[in-house]
Amino acid sequence: QKEVEQNSGPLSVPEGAIASLNCTYSDRVSQSFFWYRQYSGKSPELIMSIYSNGDKEDGRFTAQLNKASQYVSLLIRDSQPSDSATYLCAVGLIYSGNTPLVFGKGTRLSVIA
Amino acid sequence: DGGITQSPKYLFRKEGQNVTLSCEQNLNHDAMYWYRQDPGQGLRLIYYSQIVNDFQKGDIAEGYSVSREKKESFPLTVTSAQKNPTAFYLCASRDRATNEKLFFGSGTQLSVL
Repeated sequence: QKEVEQNSGPLSVPEGAIASLNCTYSDRVSQSFFWYRQYSGKSPELIMSIYSNGDKEDGRFTAQLNKASQYVSLLIRDSQPSDSATYLCAVGLIYSGNTPLVFGKGTRLSVIA
Repeated sequence: DGGITQSPKYLFRKEGQNVTLSCEQNLNHDAMYWYRQDPGQGLRLIYYSQIVNDFQKGDIAEGYSVSREKKESFPLTVTSAQKNPTAFYLCASRDRATNEKLFFGSGTQLSVL
């Protein structure tokens, strides 16, 4: 059974701080990793994807991947109240349409103004 | 604009009734998925389809049925056998060949009367 684990939170950070969200996965052959943001009552939206070990930066967001430790994280710099949402980690096999993504339960982030 | 359309946005089911949730996409994606989300929970896979006239059960298929007669359409029927259907249902699609991101519809909130 492939599993993706996330702390459910809530994770509370003050406005302007760095929020750090973590995710671990059980399947060693996983090759594609995604972070989705979901506001209450809305569908998830992709904010980051990462496929190789190391860091990937996009604006205020940085995804970090360590395949040896089976660990992927998302850093949000200069956190804003609008970042308050649930963040879902999803893991999959690259170029393998026969295997759906596996989602974690999500971490709820609250940015306090 | 290309995208995924789910309807209705809200749906109410009476005891013993079957209801069907619609999902249509014009992205020319081969793969389509149905997820269920309960409050405070992640996404759980109900059914998925990689190609027309073929579909596979996900982790929680009991009490649900699907069809894939056209590439664009992947309706989900919640049968009377599903005793706890109240949840947020999300349809998604993906380009199977490139493992690009999941595109999500806006979701259907199903409640029991």
